[in-house]
Amino acid sequence: KAGVTQTPRYLIKTRGQQVTLSCSPISGHRSVSWYQQTPGQGLQFLFEYFSETQRNKGNFPGRFSGRQFSNSRSEMNVSTLELGDSALYLCASSLKEGVWTEAFFGQGTRLTVV
Amino acid sequence: AQTVTQSQPEMSVQEAETVTLSCTYDTSESDYYLFWYKQPPSRQMILVIRQEAYKQQNATENRFSVNFQKAAKSFSLKISDSQLGDAAMYFCAYRRRGGGSNYKLTFGKGTLLTVNP
Repeated sequence: KAGVTQTPRYLIKTRGQQVTLSCSPISGHRSVSWYQQTPGQGLQFLFEYFSETQRNKGNFPGRFSGRQFSNSRSEMNVSTLELGDSALYLCASSLKEGVWTEAFFGQGTRLTVV
Repeated sequence: AQTVTQSQPEMSVQEAETVTLSCTYDTSESDYYLFWYKQPPSRQMILVIRQEAYKQQNATENRFSVNFQKAAKSFSLKISDSQLGDAAMYFCAYRRRGGGSNYKLTFGKGTLLTVNP
C-alpha cells in the first residue's frame, strides 16, 4: 500500500521567487493537511483540504495558498519567498470512506530559501 | 485554543531500559484524541500510539504505553525495553473529535530521545 508521497524532496529557491509543492495522499484518503516545521516554531498547521475545499486555515500570511484536486492530490504554493519560509513542509492524509483515520504523513519537502 | 506542552526537550535512556516522556495539554473540549508521533532522522512522522479521550483505559502498543490522566490533562508515553531504533524526536499531538472536518493536529515542541548502547 503506497504511503503519502510528497514531491520534490528538496528544493532551493531564491528570495522573491514562488514555489509549488505537491502531495499525493494514500489511496482512498480524502483529507489532506499541510504543516510547516521549523526548529524555532516547531510544527505549525498551514491548512486542510477536503473535497477540493479549504476547510481550515492556520495563521499564515496570504502568500501561502493551496488547493486540492478531484483525485484528492494537493498542492501548496508560496509566493514571494522570504528567508523565513525555509522549513520542512509536511503533508498528511486521512479520512477514508467517511471514517476519520489517524493522520499519515509524507516524508516532507525541505525548502531552502537563499 | 488548544495547546500542547512537552517540558523535556531532550531525554536519554540506556538500551533495554524504560523511559517516560511527558506531555500536558490544555483544552476546553471534552472529546478529543491524543497521539504520540515519532520522527526519526528520515523525517517521516510515524504514529506511535493514539488515545481517545472518552476511553478510560490507557492505550498500549507492544513496548509503548501511555498514562492518560484526563482530569490533570496529562498524557505521558512510556517506552519499555528501549531499542536503538527508538532514537528519534517524539511529538505529542492533540486533535478535537467531531465538529465537521476540522482535522487539525496541534503539536508539542517535541522531545529528542537518545538511546545509549
